[in-house]
Amino acid sequence: GNSVTQMEGPVTLSEEAFLTINCTYTATGYPSLFWYVQYPGEGLQLLLKATKADDKGSNKGFEATYRKETTSFHLEKGSVQVSDSAVYFCALHTGGFKTIFGAGTRLFVKA
Amino acid sequence: NAGVTQTPKFRILKIGQSMTLQCTQDMNHNYMYWYRQDPGMGLKLIYYSVGAGITDKGEVPNGYNVSRSTTEDFPLRLELAAPSQTSVYFCASSYSTEADTQYFGPGTRLTVL
Repeated sequence: GNSVTQMEGPVTLSEEAFLTINCTYTATGYPSLFWYVQYPGEGLQLLLKATKADDKGSNKGFEATYRKETTSFHLEKGSVQVSDSAVYFCALHTGGFKTIFGAGTRLFVKA
Repeated sequence: NAGVTQTPKFRILKIGQSMTLQCTQDMNHNYMYWYRQDPGMGLKLIYYSVGAGITDKGEVPNGYNVSRSTTEDFPLRLELAAPSQTSVYFCASSYSTEADTQYFGPGTRLTVL
């Protein structure tokens, strides 16, 4: 069946460090891929998406490229800020009402 | 525009007690969802609704009931709480079935002792 695996956290970085959060997936067909972010005390919100192979999603300095050959959708940011501290969820959607979420990766950014 | 609101934020229940988790959205979305997230796991779909009066089971519906009498409200009922229902519960709503249109509430952390 379809599944999403993302790196375990927490990830702790200093401000201005480079961020990578790994995400790999297993899916039949051609899923859309997403990264959601959950800030403390808030609900999940969409960060970026990619709907087909080689698409790059980007938002707020974050990027992720849909790699079909490696079944990956790694999240990257060149220079993190304290305000990026949150939990990040990778997800895939193949249609209908079911979205498959990863377990989430907590990011702490120190000043 | 409050988006999706959930109450309560936290709750501790004893085994066998019942409770209702409330969820309200003010975006006039037809689709609403309940998810649970267990420690170290991704979100799992419990129930969903495509409009007032229409609900259906998701991946993990056992032990839960839902109703949808209005577009705005989608309460989740636990009848006989069990320790296995200790989890964080998220409500979401959307205007289509595409995953990038879902708006989430802040979650309810439930502990059953």
